[in-house]
Amino acid sequence: AQKVTQAQTEISVVEKEDVTLDCVYETRDTTYYLFWYKQPPSGELVFLIRRNSFDEQNEISGRYSWNFQKSTSSFNFTITASQVVDSAVYFCALKGGSYIPTFGRGTSLIVHP
Amino acid sequence: DGGITQSPKYLFRKEGQNVTLSCEQNLNHDAMYWYRQDPGQGLRLIYYSQIVNDFQKGDIAEGYSVSREKKESFPLTVTSAQKNPTAFYLCASTQGFTDTQYFGPGTRLTVL
Repeated sequence: AQKVTQAQTEISVVEKEDVTLDCVYETRDTTYYLFWYKQPPSGELVFLIRRNSFDEQNEISGRYSWNFQKSTSSFNFTITASQVVDSAVYFCALKGGSYIPTFGRGTSLIVHP
Repeated sequence: DGGITQSPKYLFRKEGQNVTLSCEQNLNHDAMYWYRQDPGQGLRLIYYSQIVNDFQKGDIAEGYSVSREKKESFPLTVTSAQKNPTAFYLCASTQGFTDTQYFGPGTRLTVL
């Protein structure tokens, strides 16, 4: 069985602070894919990144960066110099050898001006 | 532009009525999904379809029905048997099982 744990239910920061959202996963599949999505107040889930289990390179995209560590089964997401527009719910997801992804319960990020 | 459309954005239903939520995609994706999201909660899978004319129940299929007559369309009917249908409904699609899942804008259903 697959499992994704986002232990942080809600994080509150002040603009320009750095913030890391944690994601820990469990799977027995040797090939799997990890995802992060952003859900702004409008409701639509916006795809941010996809990583396969064979690629442990960290990735940076502007103020966003992702740290994938198979040794600790973690796929953490860092926002550098946060902005009010980053306020949203962020979901981590895992997909193994099936069509059905497993989502974490989400982390609500509130960035105060 | 390729994408997933859901309509309507907001839907109000009286108790005892069936209602159908629309989901259309022009991404040429094979698989489509319906999720339910309650306030402060994660996503729960209702139904999914990997191919036309075939679909499977997800974790919370009771009180819901779907059809997949065309590759582009995967409508969800919320029946009167669904006891607590007020929620946010999200449709998604993906090309293959290794591929990324993309989501529509959602439909917010309220039962009056």
